[in-house]
Amino acid sequence: QKEVEQNSGPLSVPEGAIASLNCTYSDRGSQSFFWYRQYSGKSPELIMSIYSNGDKEDGRFTAQLNKASQYVSLLIRDSQPSDSATYLCAVTFNDYKLSFGAGTTVTVRA
Amino acid sequence: GAVVSQHPSRVICKSGTSVKIECRSLDFQATTMFWYRQFPKQSLMLMATSNEGSKATYEQGVEKDKFLINHASLTLSTLTVTSAHPEDSSFYICSAGPRTAGNTEAFFGQGTRLTVV
Repeated sequence: QKEVEQNSGPLSVPEGAIASLNCTYSDRGSQSFFWYRQYSGKSPELIMSIYSNGDKEDGRFTAQLNKASQYVSLLIRDSQPSDSATYLCAVTFNDYKLSFGAGTTVTVRA
Repeated sequence: GAVVSQHPSRVICKSGTSVKIECRSLDFQATTMFWYRQFPKQSLMLMATSNEGSKATYEQGVEKDKFLINHASLTLSTLTVTSAHPEDSSFYICSAGPRTAGNTEAFFGQGTRLTVV
């Protein structure tokens, strides 16, 4: 599998703050990039997908992709306690066969 | 997003027995499905690619005779853990996605927590 690295956690942020998550990948040919949220004991839930360079915003989430730097990030604005979870970065070349990072655990302090 | 359903959500079995896990795509057809395994505090590791109407493709280090995969229809893939042992206890999750132009989003089933005693 292709290598995907995420910034080590855990990450603790106060409620209302911005949580910033980073991910780098090794395969320059990767085409599709995803962020999944996984609550403890549950399966991953897709929260963002991004395919081209730049920013993509969806509600309080913003994904940023820089293919030249092989870097993808996720910003969570106005963090809520319900955002406390493990966030998984996933990368694929051109199909659904995903390579996952180790995940970053985020805790939002009320 | 698309819906992927997995059953059972939790199973406890005795060492040496076999367990079958089902993965269904409910609102789309899936020629390919993926099976992952996740140990506590670790990320998801791909076990195999399930191909409708043909043999599954296994990742390096995954025993194909122990983890039997059948993908007999466009909406159903099954994973059978044969002769289960305590070290097979894990969280097994399947994924699939509708093939639409320019979109490779994959969705996960609810997962199956297997405990072998």
